[in-house]
Amino acid sequence: GEDVEQSLFLSVREGDSSVINCTYTDSSSTYLYWYKQEPGAGLQLLTYIFSNMDMKQDQRLTVLLNKKDKHLSLRIADTQTGDSAIYFCAERLEKTSYDKVIFGPGTSLSVIP
Amino acid sequence: DVKVTQSSRYLVKRTGEKVFLECVQDMDHENMFWYRQDPGLGLRLIYFSYDVKMKEKGDIPEGYSVSREKKERFSLILESASTNQTSMYLCASSPRAGAESDEQFFGPGTRLTVL
Repeated sequence: GEDVEQSLFLSVREGDSSVINCTYTDSSSTYLYWYKQEPGAGLQLLTYIFSNMDMKQDQRLTVLLNKKDKHLSLRIADTQTGDSAIYFCAERLEKTSYDKVIFGPGTSLSVIP
Repeated sequence: DVKVTQSSRYLVKRTGEKVFLECVQDMDHENMFWYRQDPGLGLRLIYFSYDVKMKEKGDIPEGYSVSREKKERFSLILESASTNQTSMYLCASSPRAGAESDEQFFGPGTRLTVL
């Protein structure tokens, strides 16, 4: 089946690291994405990882992919109040007519000053 | 600066009304999408289009229709709005499959309330 799961809420203190976890079920994913949605705004791509990679680092962001366990995580180092948002995990599947993207329910990250 | 714009940020309609949600992108993207976003459910795909005048049903097309007469514009139509269609509607676009990462670019959303 096609399903992406995430915990709905995460709360961290400013300066700590945040780790947002995601599991997916379809093994035919090509890319996996992390999107960020700030209040009142649409989604914006934060980072992505190709399915044959294990890790990707981009400044304060580290993405880890365990393809065997179908587990994706996003680590935000030195979390700031501006990081408070909803984070969506998504996987892109190869389909015949188009590449379908399945989104998780989103994790609402609250950063406590 | 690339952009996806949606015609309204907030909309209030009555049950039974016909509702049009408009989306325009300026990136010359082939693919366009309509999602609805509900708390705890994430984004669910309503319809998508991969070319002008082409449309495909997503996961929850019932009660909706779409129109893509021009490449840059994708419209979502609620023929007879119902209260269970109260939601946030997000439009997105992406280049044709095969481009690196195929990121979807999202509009700011339209929060529709049906009374």
